[in-house]
Amino acid sequence: QQQVKQSPQSLIVQKGGISIINCAYENTAFDYFPWYQQFPGKGPALLIAIRPDVSEKKEGRFTISFNKSAKQFSLHIMDSQPGDSATYFCAASTGTYKYIFGTGTRLKVLA
Amino acid sequence: GAGVSQSPSNKVTEKGKDVELRCDPISGHTALYWYRQSLGQGLEFLIYFQGNSAPDKSGLPSDRFSAERTGGSVSTLTIQRTQQEDSAVYLCASSLEGGPSGGSYEQYFGPGTRLTVT
Repeated sequence: QQQVKQSPQSLIVQKGGISIINCAYENTAFDYFPWYQQFPGKGPALLIAIRPDVSEKKEGRFTISFNKSAKQFSLHIMDSQPGDSATYFCAASTGTYKYIFGTGTRLKVLA
Repeated sequence: GAGVSQSPSNKVTEKGKDVELRCDPISGHTALYWYRQSLGQGLEFLIYFQGNSAPDKSGLPSDRFSAERTGGSVSTLTIQRTQQEDSAVYLCASSLEGGPSGGSYEQYFGPGTRLTVT
């Protein structure tokens, strides 16, 4: 019940396309859902986060869509660029310090 | 300002040896976390420190793992009698607060220490 299931494991997108990464959870007590971006050799960096009182949050080319009833949330990267090539992790928290991370999605954007 | 720093960046050790990994959190951050990231896996929570409170050690995989945080700042993760399955990237993160009491959840990660046990 504490798991966060992330898909796909890897994703290849053409430059200018839309990248979509999905996460699903079971624990309805989760109330904070961040996405992290990790480049090789670097630690994860917070990209965007959402709380369940809104269904969508947009920051630049990055959008989180949140479906509370389906217990799913997704990251959309519009106009994907080669510089977006990285591993993306979703996470969930119950309002405590413990994040439960997904297993990651390796995104490659072709030039 | 300076981010979270970790040292060493890479560590190769022989099976059975002890290792110490260091984390310097962002100045002023009261919460500090250790995670383990195995190849192709997500981040596994290990331990959490918040101010002077007792640490949450619930994620430590065995009693060979321990961590300390001195003076509310620098932290050291120690792995005794290392095993090959300990090979992973060990990530440290810090945040202003560890909970939702009006503070920020955002955790800022260091670059990690890649540990290889041969």
